[in-house]
Amino acid sequence: QQQVKQSPQSLIVQKGGISIINCAYENTAFDYFPWYQQFPGKGPALLIAIRPDVSEKKEGRFTISFNKSAKQFSLHIMDSQPGDSATYFCAADQGAQKLVFGQGTRLTINP
Amino acid sequence: GAVVSQHPSRVICKSGTSVKIECRSLDFQATTMFWYRQFPKQSLMLMATSNEGSKATYEQGVEKDKFLINHASLTLSTLTVTSAHPEDSSFYICSARVPSGSGEQYFGPGTRLTVT
Repeated sequence: QQQVKQSPQSLIVQKGGISIINCAYENTAFDYFPWYQQFPGKGPALLIAIRPDVSEKKEGRFTISFNKSAKQFSLHIMDSQPGDSATYFCAADQGAQKLVFGQGTRLTINP
Repeated sequence: GAVVSQHPSRVICKSGTSVKIECRSLDFQATTMFWYRQFPKQSLMLMATSNEGSKATYEQGVEKDKFLINHASLTLSTLTVTSAHPEDSSFYICSARVPSGSGEQYFGPGTRLTVT
């Protein structure tokens, strides 16, 4: 019940396209859902996060869509650029305890 | 965002020796820090939660006598890998949680440990 399932495992998108990564969870007590971006050999960087009281949050080209009833949330990257090529991790937290991470999605943006 | 540093970024040690990795929150005080381990092309695996002034809480399966964690101040946590073996070779990453209660965690750049 503590798992967060992330899909797809890998994704290839053309430059300028929309990249979509999905995550699903079971624990309805989760109250914080961040997305992290990680480049090879680097630590993860916090991209954007959402709480379950809102259905969408947008920051620049990055948008989180949150569906509380379906227990799913997704990351949308608009106008995807080669510099967005990285591994993306979704995560969930309950009461600021510890993050539960998804398996990761390796995103490649073709120029 | 908040800044977390790690030192060293890369270390090579001989089997049987101990290695210390430092994690610092540079622009905020962190009562709670976390230590993760990451294998190639895999997700982050939480090893332990480090609380300032108290003993660390280790995840199931993590040897507390092998991975010693000390959180001596509000800006510094250390991970010591004792009697390192080649199977301990990995990418170790720390994170620090901001004190606002929001749950936000910021990660360090990671430390690549190679045990020969």
